[in-house]
Amino acid sequence: GEDVEQSLFLSVREGDSSVINCTYTDSSSTYLYWYKQEPGAGLQLLTYIFSNMDMKQDQRLTVLLNKKDKHLSLRIADTQTGDSAIYFCAGESGGYNKLIFGAGTRLAVHP
Amino acid sequence: DARVTQTPRHKVTEMGQEVTMRCQPILGHNTVFWYRQTMMQGLELLAYFRNRAPLDDSGMPKDRFSAEMPDATLATLKIQPSEPRDSAVYFCASGILAGGPYNEQFFGPGTRLTVL
Repeated sequence: GEDVEQSLFLSVREGDSSVINCTYTDSSSTYLYWYKQEPGAGLQLLTYIFSNMDMKQDQRLTVLLNKKDKHLSLRIADTQTGDSAIYFCAGESGGYNKLIFGAGTRLAVHP
Repeated sequence: DARVTQTPRHKVTEMGQEVTMRCQPILGHNTVFWYRQTMMQGLELLAYFRNRAPLDDSGMPKDRFSAEMPDATLATLKIQPSEPRDSAVYFCASGILAGGPYNEQFFGPGTRLTVL
């Protein structure tokens, strides 16, 4: 089954870029996802990438996918204090029915 | 503004008591997921349903946990008897699975359970 790993913490200065990394094991995932969890709230889909793409850009967000290394990254340009949250990488398992989430990366943005 | 609702938002109970958590999925969604989030284990999938039928509950301790969908607008997660190690935030999520691979899940705000 799918296993997803990501680093636990990232601290950046406001205005800098943030890069959150994730590795996964199941190469059959058709989509890979990034979810965001703000304090006291549930997870919310931030962006996703189709497995036959290398890159997807959506405003300040850039997702890079390296299928050979099974590595996914999320870059947030011009990071703001409102970006402080936990970011979860997720891959598919069990024939699209289930998402397997990483442990989450806590992003702290400081002035 | 369609969203998943969960009740109660917070629950404090004593060991041995029964706990029932409720979830109202987004109208029209055919899949419901129950997750548990703790600092130690992260986000764990407990069970999920498609069209009200349980598809997988392998992540759930069977001896004390049960999940049901009595109708399309209500999903329940019960713990009986509860134990201190059940203390966690329990999330419900819903989505539409139409046989294709895209799998966006919409999460509720969670129920924070504390078992003393």
